Amino acid sequence: NAGVTQTPKFRILKIGQSMTLQCAQDMNHNYMYWYRQDPGMGLKLIYYSVGAGITDKGEVPNGYNVSRSTTEDFPLRLELAAPSQTSVYFCASSFPGTGTGELFFGEGSRLTVL
Amino acid sequence: GNSVTQMEGPVTLSEEAFLTINCTYTATGYPSLFWYVQYPGEGLQLLLKATKADDKGSNKGFEATYRKETTSFHLEKGSVQVSDSAVYFCALKASSNDYKLSFGAGTTVTVRA
Repeated sequence: NAGVTQTPKFRILKIGQSMTLQCAQDMNHNYMYWYRQDPGMGLKLIYYSVGAGITDKGEVPNGYNVSRSTTEDFPLRLELAAPSQTSVYFCASSFPGTGTGELFFGEGSRLTVL
Repeated sequence: GNSVTQMEGPVTLSEEAFLTINCTYTATGYPSLFWYVQYPGEGLQLLLKATKADDKGSNKGFEATYRKETTSFHLEKGSVQVSDSAVYFCALKASSNDYKLSFGAGTTVTVRA
């Protein structure tokens, strides 16, 4: 079972560069999320999507963009990388129909902006 | 708003010791509560959950009881193992109509042999 797959696992960017973090899930989940994890700060929601073609901002969306053209994929775009975006990024998915509220997470993408 | 506060770490224990990680929440409605665990180098995975007051969630020897009167969901394990070394996150889902989770800051637990 692949579950939620994120790529790349590690990346170093220079200030001002752009990149896309890829996320794919094979569980046919409607809902997908992007979180960032900073030391001592827990996880903060960046963007989320309730289905293909629908996205919405979370707590910390500035500096990021997302798209959801298919149920399976939910890429996160950084347009002008800044040191404040150094973090570990987690993609997650869920299927509200189960009623459990459980999120399934990828293994994370560690991004460093220098 | 809805939020979760959990005890700060890190916590270091010897094998077979008792573990408690405190978690309190603030919510306007009737939230569901979760504990997630993150093992080194991995993503988060659900450890246990409780959806209403007085429910007890349990898994892998861990337990947590949803206490509405104290707005708490403390995680406990009676005898930890080295393999329990991980970061533990308390999380809240505000209502049955909500699909986003709010996470606490995480507590790093290290168990020594």
